[in-house]
Amino acid sequence: EDQVTQSPEALRLQEGESSSLNCSYTVSGLRGLFWYRQDPGKGPEFLFTLYSAGEEKEKERLKATLTKKESFLHITAPKPEDSATYLCAVQATDSSNTGKLIFGQGTTLQVKP
Amino acid sequence: SAVISQKPSRDICQRGTSLTIQCQVDSQVTMMFWYRQQPGQSLTLIATANQGSEATYESGFVIDKFPISRPNLTFSTLTVSNMSPEDSSIYLCSVGQTAEAFFGQGTRLTVV
Repeated sequence: EDQVTQSPEALRLQEGESSSLNCSYTVSGLRGLFWYRQDPGKGPEFLFTLYSAGEEKEKERLKATLTKKESFLHITAPKPEDSATYLCAVQATDSSNTGKLIFGQGTTLQVKP
Repeated sequence: SAVISQKPSRDICQRGTSLTIQCQVDSQVTMMFWYRQQPGQSLTLIATANQGSEATYESGFVIDKFPISRPNLTFSTLTVSNMSPEDSSIYLCSVGQTAEAFFGQGTRLTVV
């Protein structure tokens, strides 16, 4: 069964304190791995898609990396406005539904000034 | 990117009633997806709606409970029927396949 597990569930950082969020996945074949940011009361906001092991993508203070079993979202020198829930999701190649996303539980990040 | 508008943004409903949620996209898309996000949990796909065909439901979700319409390439509705408190969730519309997938703001439903 395709599965996505994120850790930690919650993370508190001081402003400027860099850290990483983990997303472990189990799929028979990976079509793509997605990272989203979700603010309270809002829908997920697209951040990145990664397709193959070794791939990296960056956006401002965020950098996403991918291996064959997991992905990391690195946050460098975070600011309070980076506080949100970060969601990881995968698309599996063995799914007849090419658009279906399987989500992890998310990591809720709080950055204190 | 696609801009997705959902209505209503929130509602409080009596048990036993039904609520229809609308999703409007600013461009034509083949597939539209409906997700549920229960309190404190992540997103779960309810069904996929293709224009001109019956929606495809995921395990645990049935058409009688969550009927879906897809009259054209920019619009879809999800109805939550015969509601119970367990249906209290955020319902999200999404579009996109590979590369990127975009979400609406969601509909926060509370059933009392």
